[in-house]
Amino acid sequence: DTGVSQDPRHKITKRGQNVTFRCDPISEHNRLYWYRQTLGQGPEFLTYFQNEAQLEKSRLLSDRFSAERPKGSFSTLEIQRTEQGDSAMYLCASSLHGTSGSDEQFFGPGTRLTVL
Amino acid sequence: GQNIDQPTEMTATEGAIVQINCTYQTSGFNGLFWYQQHAGEAPTFLSYNVLDGLEEKGRFSSFLSRSKGYSYLLLKELQMKDSASYLCAVNVDAGKSTFGDGTTLTVKP
Repeated sequence: DTGVSQDPRHKITKRGQNVTFRCDPISEHNRLYWYRQTLGQGPEFLTYFQNEAQLEKSRLLSDRFSAERPKGSFSTLEIQRTEQGDSAMYLCASSLHGTSGSDEQFFGPGTRLTVL
Repeated sequence: GQNIDQPTEMTATEGAIVQINCTYQTSGFNGLFWYQQHAGEAPTFLSYNVLDGLEEKGRFSSFLSRSKGYSYLLLKELQMKDSASYLCAVNVDAGKSTFGDGTTLTVKP
């Protein structure tokens, strides 16, 4: 399977704990995006990378959230001191950004986080 | 800020045609996407418009009017499997896309 993969698919944690999610993009894609989605809402942009550089981070994202893409391949999203409001589906997407094309984003299956 | 509006819910009959509208007011525009999302699954790409006009792809067509900040997704010959949420998303700069909250389409026999 050469699509976007995410791990874990489900995570249940207690409030105050730290969690880390992993995303493996499509191998030739240079851009990687993180979104958060809650029931009945569209995906909300969190951050994105071009290769290993983090180009933008949403102002809605608190300092408890951090993302890395150290070698320009896989990425991790860490949430420190989780809160119940962090419960959501965390989606990763990748795209091939170049001089032509649509930057069509291919989404992974998501990681569903439940904070108790 | 960014604002993307779509109807919350729509219902249509199997075999019919349905049009899902999307209006947007964004700080930038580098194209508009439509995605399909089944419950509990990730969004999947349906179409992309960057120039005004109609793009047709099988049973699905998408239209864009940049001057009006308006797009629609047209689904023909509806099938039960088309029951899903349909997301309108605007690429507001070279990377970031802003999504609407989606239109939940229910196809009835």
